[in-house]
Amino acid sequence: EIVLTQSPGTLSLSPGERATLSCRASQSVSSSYLAWYQQKPGQAPRLLIYGASSRATGIPDRFSGSGSGTDFTLTISRLEPEDFAVYYCQQYGSSPTFGQGTKVEIK
Amino acid sequence: EVQLVESGGGLVQPGGSLRLSCAASGFTFSSYWMSWVRQAPGKGLEWVANIKQDGSDKYYVDSVKGRFTISRDNAKNSLDLQMNSLRAEDTAVYYCARSSKAGWVFDYWGQGTLVTVSS
Repeated sequence: EIVLTQSPGTLSLSPGERATLSCRASQSVSSSYLAWYQQKPGQAPRLLIYGASSRATGIPDRFSGSGSGTDFTLTISRLEPEDFAVYYCQQYGSSPTFGQGTKVEIK
Repeated sequence: EVQLVESGGGLVQPGGSLRLSCAASGFTFSSYWMSWVRQAPGKGLEWVANIKQDGSDKYYVDSVKGRFTISRDNAKNSLDLQMNSLRAEDTAVYYCARSSKAGWVFDYWGQGTLVTVSS
């Protein structure tokens, strides 16, 4: 099983600031099969990024993903009020596993 | 519009059984892998099981192997999860999710159904 570790656990930022979220895998993720999701309280997760860097349908371009192998990053270039949420990474190169999440909160 | 609507959650005693269902619409159901993903209260996401388009391949997380069974009915556009020998640690919101054509990445999710295992 590939274990994903996300950091930091909580990110306190102001609207307009840049957010950088990290996801590290316990072993290499094949073919960059790494995705990112956003989840708000009481809602289902929403797919943001797949294939490490491809934006899902309808996702604004302020969201970008990068990385390969064992180290991946989700960047939100300028935080909008609706971006404050919990973000999860997920690998799907083998049996799917998720990271524990990073909460982006308003500072 | 893609829609996934789960049902069947509720309160069940430890050792009991429950069957979850997911009604799919707005896409060609038989063309996609489908999955169940769960989230314990206040916790993160955990993939539970998935099933191939024709039902011929099924995979499970280790913690539910031998207790849960995923199935689908392509004629009815429905996905099920039969859960037996339930434990307190199975308490969670269970989401039905569609896997995208890019692999086991979940591009559409239902609203979830809560399963509570408690005496």
